[in-house]
Amino acid sequence: KAGVTQTPRYLIKTRGQQVTLSCSPISGHRSVSWYQQTPGQGLQFLFEYFSETQRNKGNFPGRFSGRQFSNSRSEMNVSTLELGDSALYLCASSLESRTEETQYFGPGTRLLVL
Amino acid sequence: KQEVTQIPAALSVPEGENLVLNCSFTDSAIYNLQWFRQDPGKGLTSLLLIQSSQREQTSGRLNASLDKSSGRSTLYIAASQPGDSATYLCALGADGLTFGKGTHLIIQP
Repeated sequence: KAGVTQTPRYLIKTRGQQVTLSCSPISGHRSVSWYQQTPGQGLQFLFEYFSETQRNKGNFPGRFSGRQFSNSRSEMNVSTLELGDSALYLCASSLESRTEETQYFGPGTRLLVL
Repeated sequence: KQEVTQIPAALSVPEGENLVLNCSFTDSAIYNLQWFRQDPGKGLTSLLLIQSSQREQTSGRLNASLDKSSGRSTLYIAASQPGDSATYLCALGADGLTFGKGTHLIIQP
């Protein structure tokens, strides 16, 4: 069974630009969550999507948004990039329930903002 | 707001030793607790998941415990090997996962 895949793996952007990252969950998984990892703040929860609806949201500004498609694939978008958005962005998938299930993480997209 | 602390931040031990990694948290209203490992530049690999109603889980040389009343979890690694070198993260499951900063573990051959 294929794991969680993320594209692209690496990305370089300049301040003010916008970026879209993609995540394909494990087949059959309907929940996709996004996390930002930085050396200073560690891993922080961005948002979770389930059945094309945002189910939970972390404490990030509105420049960070996401969506989920009917095939459970998810994208996240960051508009008006800032230097501090440089990070490893990880997505994770699980079947349905947050209470009983392991989350499976993808390899991440490393974003560098210049 | 959930606060998760992992001690120690870094640990270096010779191969073969048994070791314990600690995780403490402030809010016991959780669905579960997960331990992950992260290799440099890679994503996270799930090691163990403990449901809120459970006290421990075991997988091979790994054993994790959960004490909600004291806000603590430990990850026990038996007979450590160089391949165990990685950063170990605990995460509390509620609305999204809340992670600690991790313990950077080095097993010396």
